[in-house]
Amino acid sequence: DSGVTQTPKHLITATGQRVTLRCSPRSGDLSVYWYQQSLDQGLQFLIQYYNGEERAKGNILERFSAQQFPDLHSELNLSSLELGDSALYFCASSVEGGVGDTQYFGPGTRLTVL
Amino acid sequence: EDQVTQSPEALRLQEGESSSLNCSYTVSGLRGLFWYRQDPGKGPEFLFTLYSAGEEKEKERLKATLTKKESFLHITAPKPEDSATYLCAVRDSGGYQKVTFGTGTKLQVIP
Repeated sequence: DSGVTQTPKHLITATGQRVTLRCSPRSGDLSVYWYQQSLDQGLQFLIQYYNGEERAKGNILERFSAQQFPDLHSELNLSSLELGDSALYFCASSVEGGVGDTQYFGPGTRLTVL
Repeated sequence: EDQVTQSPEALRLQEGESSSLNCSYTVSGLRGLFWYRQDPGKGPEFLFTLYSAGEEKEKERLKATLTKKESFLHITAPKPEDSATYLCAVRDSGGYQKVTFGTGTKLQVIP
């Protein structure tokens, strides 16, 4: 158990809908990362937050957004969902998000768009 | 752009048959190379971080090594429970020190 929690575990929805994925980092970690992993694809970095502020953006679509709250939990919002958005979404956390930092991953949320 | 290439894509070993997984990388200033293990449908589990060429780290049957262009994950006398996908990732020295993952090597150890 990494100490990172994600809810829900599974989510099934329809095209065009909007969903919110939630992540609670390990105790003491200030940085949160979101990744997408599609079938047979590597982990694609989406976005990073550090202590409530956006720090880095990866291949995140404009339909997707995220935020980190004062209690350091983070939410990833996915809107106007398409079939191709079906994937595993992972959250990771680290102490600072800088050199020497190790990212610890949560169990993931499996999103199925029908 | 940073690139991480892992080989082979899949590897099937008999229990006890040692082997190595390869991770080749190109990065603008390496600030860490990471190895993770991922079971199907689960989140990646951290194994090792390596920072400089010549560095080695060990954990049970696993040993990770690093050169200037690649890293190897050596698996000695593997057991069926070592079956998983092994992911390699690199952190660069850019402003945001982005982490880039490879697509992994899927290891199957047969009893």
